[in-house]
Amino acid sequence: QKEVEQDPGPLSVPEGAIVSLNCTYSNSAFQYFMWYRQYSRKGPELLMYTYSSGNKEDGRFTAQVDKSSKYISLFIRDSQPSDSATYLCAMSENNFNKFYFGSGTKLNVKP
Amino acid sequence: DTAVSQTPKYLVTQMGNDKSIKCEQNLGHDTMYWYKQDSKKFLKIMFSYNNKELIINETVPNRFSPKSPDKAHLNLHINSLELGDSAVYFCASSQASQPQHFGDGTRLSIL
Repeated sequence: QKEVEQDPGPLSVPEGAIVSLNCTYSNSAFQYFMWYRQYSRKGPELLMYTYSSGNKEDGRFTAQVDKSSKYISLFIRDSQPSDSATYLCAMSENNFNKFYFGSGTKLNVKP
Repeated sequence: DTAVSQTPKYLVTQMGNDKSIKCEQNLGHDTMYWYKQDSKKFLKIMFSYNNKELIINETVPNRFSPKSPDKAHLNLHINSLELGDSAVYFCASSQASQPQHFGDGTRLSIL
C-alpha cells in the first residue's frame, strides 16, 4: 500500500464549478501537508501548505486537513480553464526534507 | 531569473551510455533534491543534499550518483543507462522548514 493515495482522475468540470480534490494517507506521523499544481511539461508549483489539522484559504483555493480521518482536500472555487493541470498532494513528517507525493489528479476545466 | 533550472530539458540516448543532468538554484536554499517521475506521474525522491552533504539516499541503483559541488548546484550522473531509467527527473530545493521548489524537469528517453 502506498503511503499517499490520490485518485488519478481525469476530473472534468465546467468553468465556474467548485472542484474538490482529495488525498488519503496511512502514516499518522505526517504533520505537513502540501498541494502542488503541475502543468504539462512543467515542474510542480507549490499552491498551499498547512501544518497539522484545519483549514487554510488563499484566494479561490482552500486546503483542509482532517488528521483523525487521514484525509486532506483542496477546494477550488469558480474554477477557470487556466486551472486545468495535474494536482499533487504531498506530505511530510517532522520537517520538509522528505516528502511523500500522491500520484496526482488530472483536472480539466471546460470553458 | 528562473529559480531552479535544469539542463538539459530533453535527453535522448542509447542504452548503456553514461549521462549527466545539471541543476542550479538561485534561491539561496541550503537543501537540494532529485526526484524521478514515472509515466503515471508518481514523484519519488531519490537523493537530498543539505549544504553539500548527502542526507537522503533512497533505494536507488548505484548507477545513479549525485554530486554537489556547492550548495547552489546538484548534479546527477547516471552510468550504464537502462530502458527503465526513462522518466522525467526533477530537481528541487528548499530552505529549512519550508516546502520545496521544483525545476521544470529533464525528460530522459532511452532507446
